[in-house]
Amino acid sequence: DTAVSQTPKYLVTQMGNDKSIKCEQNLGHDTMYWYKQDSKKFLKIMFSYNNKELIINETVPNRFSPKSPDKAHLNLHINSLELGDSAVYFCASSQGWTIGEPQHFGDGTRLSIL
Amino acid sequence: AQTVTQSQPEMSVQEAETVTLSCTYDTSESDYYLFWYKQPPSRQMILVIRQEAYKQQNATENRFSVNFQKAAKSFSLKISDSQLGDAAMYFCAYRSISQGGSEKLVFGKGTKLTVNP
Repeated sequence: DTAVSQTPKYLVTQMGNDKSIKCEQNLGHDTMYWYKQDSKKFLKIMFSYNNKELIINETVPNRFSPKSPDKAHLNLHINSLELGDSAVYFCASSQGWTIGEPQHFGDGTRLSIL
Repeated sequence: AQTVTQSQPEMSVQEAETVTLSCTYDTSESDYYLFWYKQPPSRQMILVIRQEAYKQQNATENRFSVNFQKAAKSFSLKISDSQLGDAAMYFCAYRSISQGGSEKLVFGKGTKLTVNP
């Protein structure tokens, strides 16, 4: 019944590795997002996709590459992980054409770089 | 670009009392949406309340209400009859009326609310 699900919930890895975080929503929404929450709890948009098309890319390093195989999935792949990538990453979705529709968030993935 | 400011990094309240969390924002748009999200220690992001800027009436959801002052660009959250379960980080967020994937949320830095028994 989970509306927006992310896997894994925790990810511990070493600098230089490549990792992916998966996100799926079963709400029938056509827009999905990735947000990053840093160690000071500040949340900032990274990407948004609408019907598999990239709409927002907020000056995120090229090491981050989102992939949307269909509108229910938005995965985040990160190459050559750096210490500064340690954060909680949230996936979210909304029905883009519905005025004022709030975004529904996943439970977050805590990424820790050793 | 829009910005959202929460000037209170931390607040505390006694159980059953009322507390108000402040939020101000900066925008040149006339229509937009404002939200309060709650993030308990479980890390979930839970929508508390939302307000459409074109509506003058303040939104209310049970014990949660807002004081929306459009001219002052202020959007404070009032929690009445505070409960232990209200303890969390509270984030104020702004959203433009644009659609088609451009509906990003701009967040404030959050206010950590402690509820004392």
